[in-house]
Amino acid sequence: DGGITQSPKYLFRKEGQNVTLSCEQNLNHDAMYWYRQDPGQGLRLIYYSQIVNDFQKGDIAEGYSVSREKKESFPLTVTSAQKNPTAFYLCASSIQGWANYGYTFGSGTRLTVV
Amino acid sequence: KQEVTQIPAALSVPEGENLVLNCSFTDSAIYNLQWFRQDPGKGLTSLLLIQSSQREQTSGRLNASLDKSSGRSTLYIAASQPGDSATYLCAVPRSANQAGTALIFGKGTTLSVSS
Repeated sequence: DGGITQSPKYLFRKEGQNVTLSCEQNLNHDAMYWYRQDPGQGLRLIYYSQIVNDFQKGDIAEGYSVSREKKESFPLTVTSAQKNPTAFYLCASSIQGWANYGYTFGSGTRLTVV
Repeated sequence: KQEVTQIPAALSVPEGENLVLNCSFTDSAIYNLQWFRQDPGKGLTSLLLIQSSQREQTSGRLNASLDKSSGRSTLYIAASQPGDSATYLCAVPRSANQAGTALIFGKGTTLSVSS
């Protein structure tokens, strides 16, 4: 079945450590997105990519980095510069010019600083 | 800058009630609007997508309406069931009149339906 796979489901990070969250899709979607969700908050956009080898900063990109070397993959690295990384991270994808089809989301990764 | 607001933040109803969730947005030049459902600790599931040229969309017991001129959308849930308990979020494109762009979300309405 087609879909988006996020791994791991739970991730623990020590202070000063970089961690990478995986996002893979087999939907043949052009665009991919990373959102962060905090309790009681809506989703906030971190980075998005509309085509391979290109990506744009969202509203809260500081302390995060991404790459888009393959159409299927859009990993997110949470660097030590992100001072409050504990949150629920959601990856999504869409067809380019998605108006008629909407978004598909992964099941999320919960990151906790220990 | 586009902003999305959802009212109420939380809602508790007995099973069988019909209910309405509200979503408002500040820039009426949207390409479309999407309603999502999120269960605790899970990702988002798309419920309904309304194009700017449409007034409403229906899926089963769900009906979403869109009034661009007033910057409002409503999600109507008929004959609510305990399985409808979840958080419902609405979202619009960040950039006006653009289809291929990221979404901006409201904070959601958390619905609890008691049996």
